[in-house]
Formats: sequence, C-alpha cells, structure tokens
Amino acid sequence: DTGVSQNPRHKITKRGQNVTFRCDPISEHNRLYWYRQTLGQGPEFLTYFQNEAQLEKSRLLSDRFSAERPKGSFSTLEIQRTEQGDSAMYLCASSAQSSGNTIYFGEGSWLTVV
Amino acid sequence: SQQGEEDPQALSIQEGENATMNCSYKTSINNLQWYRQNSGRGLVHLILIRSNEREKHSGRLRVTLDTSKKSSSLLITASRAADTASYFCATDAIYNTDKLIFGTGTRLQVFP
Repeated sequence: DTGVSQNPRHKITKRGQNVTFRCDPISEHNRLYWYRQTLGQGPEFLTYFQNEAQLEKSRLLSDRFSAERPKGSFSTLEIQRTEQGDSAMYLCASSAQSSGNTIYFGEGSWLTVV
Repeated sequence: SQQGEEDPQALSIQEGENATMNCSYKTSINNLQWYRQNSGRGLVHLILIRSNEREKHSGRLRVTLDTSKKSSSLLITASRAADTASYFCATDAIYNTDKLIFGTGTRLQVFP
C-alpha cells in the first residue's frame, strides 16, 4: 500500500488523558498536512510541514496540540489533556510539488473523548 | 475557517440522473480541487482544475470554474448508488499555495 497511512484508526480516551496519532505519508512526499474534521463539516486545516520544518500552524491548534516530523518522513500529532471538544476525525495528508498541489489523504484517525 | 461553501448542502436523486453541486469561494486562487468522502472514511481526490482553465472532464465527472464569479460546479452524469458520498471543493490561495481550504460539502444520496 503506497497511500497515506494513519494509526490508530480509532481511539477512545478519557478526558484529561494524552493521545498521539501517527501519520506515514506517501513515500518521497515532502509536504505533510494535518486537518481536523467534525461531523457534518469540511476538514479544517491545522498545520503543515515541508520536510521536517513546520511552516504554518492554525489558530485552531491550541497549546495542548503539538505536531512533529522529526526526520521529514512520518509525523505525530499529540493532544495533551484531552477535552470533549477534541472529539473529531484527524486527517493526515501529503503532497509533492511534482503532483501539482494535489493533496492525498489518509483514512483518518477518529478520536472520541469521554 | 472555511473558504468555500457548497450548494446544495444535501442532494437526493435516483440512479441514472445527473447530480450537480456548486462551490463558491472567497479569495483569488491558483487551483480548485474536488474531493469525495464516504461516510467515516478519508477524502479521495477527484479532479483538479487550474485558475486558467474553464472546464475539465474525468470519466463521468465534469468540472467548471468561473473565476470572475469565484465559483465552480461538479457534475456527475448517470449517477450510481455507489456515488453516494459527501463531496467537497477545496481551494488554495494565491498568497499561499501550499495548503487547501475546504468548503462545507454536499451530501449526495443516490437511490437505486
């Protein structure tokens, strides 16, 4: 499978716990994106990387959220002290300049905070 | 924040009919893309149209772009039950071509 891979696909956690999601982009894609999507809404941009550099962060990304891409390959998105409002699907996507800005998405990681 | 809005929010049709979804956006763009999302799944890229293009076809899909009106339409011809999904338009921005901003989506239901 050469698509964008995300895990875990589903996570149920208690309020206040920390969670971490992992994303493996398409091989050799230098750009990696994180989006968040709630029911009935379109994906909302959170942050993106070019190689290992985090180039932009949305105002949606509070201090409890941190994303890393240490070696310019896979990325992690950590949410600390989760709140019920964090319940959403977290989508990872990747692109390469050669793809003409087409962004390819993974299947998403569902987070439910109880 | 959402850049665009799709219209209608929901659409129900019979198999074999055509489905038309519209998207409006706010800022000048370099390109506009349409994505499809089955319930609970990730987004699948359908088609990209550049700002200097007016129409593009891919199989049963036809996309138009009117930059003067900041709008686009997606036409699915001869729809099938398997086309049931949410459809989103997404745009970049001339000042920042590296990310996509999505609209609110159209939920299409095709009845067999």
